[in-house]
Amino acid sequence: AQSVTQLDSQVPVFEEAPVELRCNYSSSVSVYLFWYVQYPNQGLQLLLKYLSGSTLVKSINGFEAEFNKSQTSFHLRKPSVHISDTAEYFCAVSPTGAGSYQLTFGKGTKLSVIP
Amino acid sequence: KAGVTQTPRYLIKTRGQQVTLSCSPISGHRSVSWYQQTPGQGLQFLFEYFSETQRNKGNFPGRFSGRQFSNSRSEMNVSTLELGDSALYLCASSLPGTGVGNTIYFGEGSWLTVV
Repeated sequence: AQSVTQLDSQVPVFEEAPVELRCNYSSSVSVYLFWYVQYPNQGLQLLLKYLSGSTLVKSINGFEAEFNKSQTSFHLRKPSVHISDTAEYFCAVSPTGAGSYQLTFGKGTKLSVIP
Repeated sequence: KAGVTQTPRYLIKTRGQQVTLSCSPISGHRSVSWYQQTPGQGLQFLFEYFSETQRNKGNFPGRFSGRQFSNSRSEMNVSTLELGDSALYLCASSLPGTGVGNTIYFGEGSWLTVV
């Protein structure tokens, strides 16, 4: 079984400041790692994912996350946030086994960008 | 191309009733999964279908059921509704392949309120 812990339920940050949203996971098997974003009254959108290879993955809108196997972490960072980044962010994992489509999510972190 | 489409978007039901939610996956996607999102429990996996067969099931009572049709469209049903079933129900679709390494795309969700 897998579990995901997002250490901060809410993160307020001023516009143009850097932000880090923390995610730790627990699993007895290898996992893929994901960050999803949910804007108000919308579904989930994939922000970025780690499947294999380089441990640093980046999104097209300036977010990046680094997979740290020894610390079982996958923290999300952005060097300079915008008002439009205000949303809820979910970290998720899934076993790497073939045919596995089940995501286990963290409880989410609400990012509020203050003008 | 069109995204994952869920209907209805909003509905209100009375305790004891049943409800059916519908999901049309992205064209060509054959895996459909369902998640329940509540403020208390967060995002929880309900079940996943591929080629009309349920492949994975989460830890939900038998009142929650689903099915997939030959055109990959899916429905989920909740019988004998309880107040605690009030939630956002999210459908997601993905191409078949080696598990969740393929990107999972989410719909906007169906908001169910049980009164």
